[in-house]
Amino acid sequence: AQTVTQSQPEMSVQEAETVTLSCTYDTSENNYYLFWYKQPPSRQMILVIRQEAYKQQNATENRFSVNFQKAAKSFSLKISDSQLGDTAMYFCAPQAQGGSEKLVFGKGTKLTVNP
Amino acid sequence: SAVISQKPSRDICQRGTSLTIQCQVDSQVTMMFWYRQQPGQSLTLIATANQGSEATYESGFVIDKFPISRPNLTFSTLTVSNMSPEDSSIYLCSVGRDRGGSNYGYTFGSGTRLTVV
Repeated sequence: AQTVTQSQPEMSVQEAETVTLSCTYDTSENNYYLFWYKQPPSRQMILVIRQEAYKQQNATENRFSVNFQKAAKSFSLKISDSQLGDTAMYFCAPQAQGGSEKLVFGKGTKLTVNP
Repeated sequence: SAVISQKPSRDICQRGTSLTIQCQVDSQVTMMFWYRQQPGQSLTLIATANQGSEATYESGFVIDKFPISRPNLTFSTLTVSNMSPEDSSIYLCSVGRDRGGSNYGYTFGSGTRLTVV
């Protein structure tokens, strides 16, 4: 089965500082998409950022950016200027193998931003 | 990206009964997905629902327990049948790319928190 590894079950960061969440995965595909989702206590799954594997440029969305290393199958999320509202579970989700649109989720990292 | 309305948001059900969860999308999408999130866990895909064909179930999930309907490109239902306390979870629907092929899909409904007593 395809695996997604988020090696940090929990992390904490001070408000306004920077934090990086790690994710590694396996796939035999060449072209695929990868996503980071945020799930606050409201349980709503919120798309944070996505990366297309054929693009060398790392995706950026305001304070969120990724470090995508295709050969290493690594897809880390950097959150700059952390805010209290960033407190949530973060899930890494690459597209499943075989050309399907379904996603495979990691176990998640619980991020707490402290005032 | 697509907007999904999922109902109900929560329910408490007696064991042995069934609950049907609905997801309505504001645009036509090819694929819809149903996930289960057990307490404190990540998301596990139950099945993929394509319009006009039977749903495709993941290992460990069967149609008799989780029947799915997909009558058109904007709507799907998931039924949790003959419930037991082990079915207590959050159930979420999600969509892939929209009909036009844009990759800005992959949005989720707000989830249904199911408690079986």
